[in-house]
Amino acid sequence: DQQVKQNSPSLSVQEGRISILNCDYTNSMFDYFLWYKKYPAEGPTFLISISSIKDKNEDGRFTVFLNKSAKHLSLHIVPSQPGDSAVYFCAATKTNDYKLSFGAGTTVTVRA
Amino acid sequence: EAGVAQSPRYKIIEKRQSVAFWCNPISGHATLYWYQQILGQGPKLLIQFQNNGVVDDSQLPKDRFSAERLKGVDSTLKIQPAKLEDSAVYLCASSALGGYYGYTFGSGTRLTVV
Repeated sequence: DQQVKQNSPSLSVQEGRISILNCDYTNSMFDYFLWYKKYPAEGPTFLISISSIKDKNEDGRFTVFLNKSAKHLSLHIVPSQPGDSAVYFCAATKTNDYKLSFGAGTTVTVRA
Repeated sequence: EAGVAQSPRYKIIEKRQSVAFWCNPISGHATLYWYQQILGQGPKLLIQFQNNGVVDDSQLPKDRFSAERLKGVDSTLKIQPAKLEDSAVYLCASSALGGYYGYTFGSGTRLTVV
């Protein structure tokens, strides 16, 4: 059973505009959420995370929003840059568990 | 700080053959994970080690997959015999106790079973 879902397999955005990536989860026990970025032939790298006690976390151009009642989170990238072109994975876990459940990923293409 | 090292980078084998993957985690990281990523899907946890003990192997197909982490450092994942559906990227990750920020993935081993 897929507990973390990213329903948009791909996203194309113009350089300088906002990229919005969405993620839904079904397991109400999840209380920690992470976003990873993956380039071809490389492993995923940590981007940003959020605990369920918060509804927003910001790090430079990246902001993650969490809506616990809807079991939904989103990643905003502003402004989008060509180097942001990659696959983005949403992941969820329970605190002190450390086993990550991943979504299928969203491929972001930033157009010049 | 050196990253998580994995080898080989690529492997092509015939079905029913055996294969082994190696992972060397970041120095000092107590926890080591093996994930399987099938094309078009997110990584799926196969097994989690804490030092040299298994914490969770509930999703490891134990009839054909085995893993060990001798001396609590590097680890080997083996498949015997391989099936076509085992074609995937096998990712190793490691983390320090009690933290997510150091949760670091290696570049993976891409396995193709023909």
